[in-house]
Amino acid sequence: GENVEQHPSTLSVQEGDSAVIKCTYSDSASNYFPWYKQELGKRPQLIIDIRSNVGEKKDQRIAVTLNKTAKHFSLHITETQPEDSAVYFCAASTGANNLFFGTGTRLTVIP
Amino acid sequence: KAGVTQTPRYLIKTRGQQVTLSCSPISGHRSVSWYQQTPGQGLQFLFEYFSETQRNKGNFPGRFSGRQFSNSRSEMNVSTLELGDSALYLCASSLPSGKNEQYFGPGTRLTVT
Repeated sequence: GENVEQHPSTLSVQEGDSAVIKCTYSDSASNYFPWYKQELGKRPQLIIDIRSNVGEKKDQRIAVTLNKTAKHFSLHITETQPEDSAVYFCAASTGANNLFFGTGTRLTVIP
Repeated sequence: KAGVTQTPRYLIKTRGQQVTLSCSPISGHRSVSWYQQTPGQGLQFLFEYFSETQRNKGNFPGRFSGRQFSNSRSEMNVSTLELGDSALYLCASSLPSGKNEQYFGPGTRLTVT
């Protein structure tokens, strides 16, 4: 089955700096890659996703890049704010509604 | 539109008992997936239901089962509870069109003592 690895497990940045979280996947059939943000005690929230026919996608301060050849994808958050502090999960799917998640990155934005 | 809802939000059970959790998807969403979240294992896929049929299944023992009703509401059942079943159980709903965007409910926190 699919195996998704996520790095780093923890990340601290100064407010205003950028944060980058990286994931790799093993199944070349995976074609959908969402990112979720989970604040303490809350549900995971879909923040951005990318499909395998696209190399990059942006939404305001958030961007995701995908390298199908290397089987890795990354989340980039620019101009970080304290409210960006949360655990971020990457995931991969072959197209069915079963997501394989990474182990999460705890992002702390220091004011 | 109302979001995904789950009941109950918290549950305490004893080893050996069974439990049933409920999930109501976003209106119009016909696919419901269930996930288990633990500090040690992270988020793991349990199963997915679409049109009252289990369409995908993860690597969990047969003690974990589910079903879906004609109104797309779904239930999952865990029989013969073990201490290791303590977790946050999340369901997620999505459209059946293959767009794959899944929206999560708040989860049910199950504690097995």
